[in-house]
Amino acid sequence: AQSVTQLGSHVSVSEGALVLLRCNYSSSVPPYLFWYVQYPNQGLQLLLKYTTGATLVKGINGFEAEFKKSETSFHLTKPSAHMSDAAEYFCASYNFNKFYFGSGTKLNVKP
Amino acid sequence: ETGVTQSPTHLIKTRGQQVTLRCSSQSGHNTVSWYQQALGQGPQFIFQYYREEENGRGNFPPRFSGLQFPNYSSELNVNALELDDSALYLCASSTGQAGGYTFGSGTRLTVV
Repeated sequence: AQSVTQLGSHVSVSEGALVLLRCNYSSSVPPYLFWYVQYPNQGLQLLLKYTTGATLVKGINGFEAEFKKSETSFHLTKPSAHMSDAAEYFCASYNFNKFYFGSGTKLNVKP
Repeated sequence: ETGVTQSPTHLIKTRGQQVTLRCSSQSGHNTVSWYQQALGQGPQFIFQYYREEENGRGNFPPRFSGLQFPNYSSELNVNALELDDSALYLCASSTGQAGGYTFGSGTRLTVV
């Protein structure tokens, strides 16, 4: 069975600090992988996606993620956090016409 | 280009009733999928339609059904509502390739 695990339901960083949100997937076939951001009372906005090709993927707002097949991971990073990055982040995998989402990580950015 | 539009934005229903939620796909998108997001959880995949045919389904009972129209808009129908059906329901459309899903802002359903 496929699944996506996000380690840490809440992450708190200081403004300007590195952001690291962890995601591991479980799938017999390497899936497509995504990171979405959700602001309160809104839908999901795509940050970045990995389908094939280069394993380091750059997204919007300075975020990037690296697909590591050997570790079945797709961690999201940003070198310097901004206050506007405070939101909930979801990692997702897509395979065989189905999306699987992690349970989300709420990012808090302290001034 | 217009994005994905969902209606209504909020809805309150009584247990046992039926509800229909609507989704207008982004222009040029022929695939639509629906998700249930309970409070404090990640979205759970309900089903997906491609050119009016269901081509993927998650672990939801048959009382969750859907429809996609020739213009690729879609409906989610839920029969015999239960209290646990209270959630944010999200619709997403795409061109059929995994990388291009656009999500709507959702419909908040409350079952009392």
